[in-house]
Amino acid sequence: GQQLNQSPQSMFIQEGEDVSMNCTSSSIFNTWLWYKQDPGEGPVLLIALYKAGELTSNGRLTAQFGITRKDSFLNISASIPSDVGIYFCAGLSGGSNYKLTFGKGTLLTVNP
Amino acid sequence: DAGVTQSPTHLIKTRGQHVTLRCSPISGHKSVSWYQQVLGQGPQFIFQYYEKEERGRGNFPDRFSARQFPNYSSELNVNALLLGDSALYLCASSFQMTGGEETQYFGPGTRLLVL
Repeated sequence: GQQLNQSPQSMFIQEGEDVSMNCTSSSIFNTWLWYKQDPGEGPVLLIALYKAGELTSNGRLTAQFGITRKDSFLNISASIPSDVGIYFCAGLSGGSNYKLTFGKGTLLTVNP
Repeated sequence: DAGVTQSPTHLIKTRGQHVTLRCSPISGHKSVSWYQQVLGQGPQFIFQYYEKEERGRGNFPDRFSARQFPNYSSELNVNALLLGDSALYLCASSFQMTGGEETQYFGPGTRLLVL
């Protein structure tokens, strides 16, 4: 089955630093989505990527859909304490085998 | 506009019981998906329904079933509960844009504890 490898598993950084995390897959996806989840809540959509090579920004967040359609990265610039949480990548495959597959998440801790 | 809503927020059941979880999608969204998230893991896909038809199914046993109603709300049913069914159950709604792009928006989840 499809698997997403998300790295790093966790990060501990100082406020103001930049952060980068990525996901790779053995399968091709039509869409890459990045979510942030706080404890006890549902994932909140950060960025959606629909085309191979697409580079999209949302404030301090930037994400790219890899050319091979098997990978994506998320960058956070100038981190702040409220960036703390778990970040998930997710790949969407459509057609007759519709499925959204999640990575295992990256736990981000920001030290003020 | 209201986001995805789920009920109940928390639920405690005992082994062997049955549970029904409910979800209302964002207004205008015709698709609902269900996910199970155990502690420390990413959400695992259970089902997707579009226009009341099942469009996708994950690797879950037949004890898990779902349906979508004419108003696009959905129910997830789990029979013969096991301890391992304890998890956060997430519902997501989505709509397809004209170019076929689709994005899923999640509700707050229902936390199920099976004793």
